[in-house]
Amino acid sequence: GAVVSQHPSRVICKSGTSVKIECRSLDFQATTMFWYRQFPKQSLMLMATSNEGSKATYEQGVEKDKFLINHASLTLSTLTVTSAHPEDSSFYICSVQPPRGSNQPQHFGDGTRLSIL
Amino acid sequence: AQKVTQAQTEISVVEKEDVTLDCVYETRDTTYYLFWYKQPPSGELVFLIRRNSFDEQNEISGRYSWNFQKSTSSFNFTITASQVVDSAVYFCALSETITGANNLFFGTGTRLTVIP
Repeated sequence: GAVVSQHPSRVICKSGTSVKIECRSLDFQATTMFWYRQFPKQSLMLMATSNEGSKATYEQGVEKDKFLINHASLTLSTLTVTSAHPEDSSFYICSVQPPRGSNQPQHFGDGTRLSIL
Repeated sequence: AQKVTQAQTEISVVEKEDVTLDCVYETRDTTYYLFWYKQPPSGELVFLIRRNSFDEQNEISGRYSWNFQKSTSSFNFTITASQVVDSAVYFCALSETITGANNLFFGTGTRLTVIP
C-alpha cells in the first residue's frame, strides 16, 4: 500500500487563490520531507526541505513567502502556494525521508497538478 | 557540485526491441546513491532501483537491467523486449551523503515511447 499520501491530486483555481497541498507519511514518523516542483516536460527540482518542528530550508530562487511550508507533526507537511498566479502552474510532488538506519529510499507521493487560470 | 546528465531526451523503439537509457553523473562525494525512477503519464514516480556507490555489481530484475560503471561515472538502464507499457519518462537521480541532506538531484529525463 501507499507509504505517502499527497492531497489533492489536482487543483484548478483562479489567479490570486492560495492553495494548500498536504503530504502525509502513513507508515512512519518523518522528521524530514522534501517538496519538488516539475514544470511541463522538465525535470524535478527541489524546492525546499521540510523539517519537523523548525523552519524549512529553501533552495536558491524559491520564495519562502510565496511557498509556505509547515511541518508541525511527524507525519504531515503542508505546502501552501500563496496568491497563486498562472506561472505557479506546475506539478508538485513531495517525498518522505525514512528514519535513519531503515536503509529505505525516499518515498514519493503521487503529486499534485496545480493549474492556475 | 553534483550533476546528472541524461543526454537522450526522447527515444522511440518498436515493441520487443531492447533499449538502453544512458545516465552520467558528477559528484565529489565518495559515498552516494544512484536511482532510476519511471514517471508514467499519470505523473507519479515509480521507484525502480537504488544503487550504493560501493556496489558496482550489475543488477537484473526481470526485463530490466542496470550497468553501474564508476570508472566512467555512468549508471545505464536497459529494458529488454520492450513493451508498450514501458512508455514513460525515466529519470536518473543522485543522492549525496556528504551534505547529509539526502535530497535527490534528478537528470532531465528520457522520454521513452514504445511503438506497438
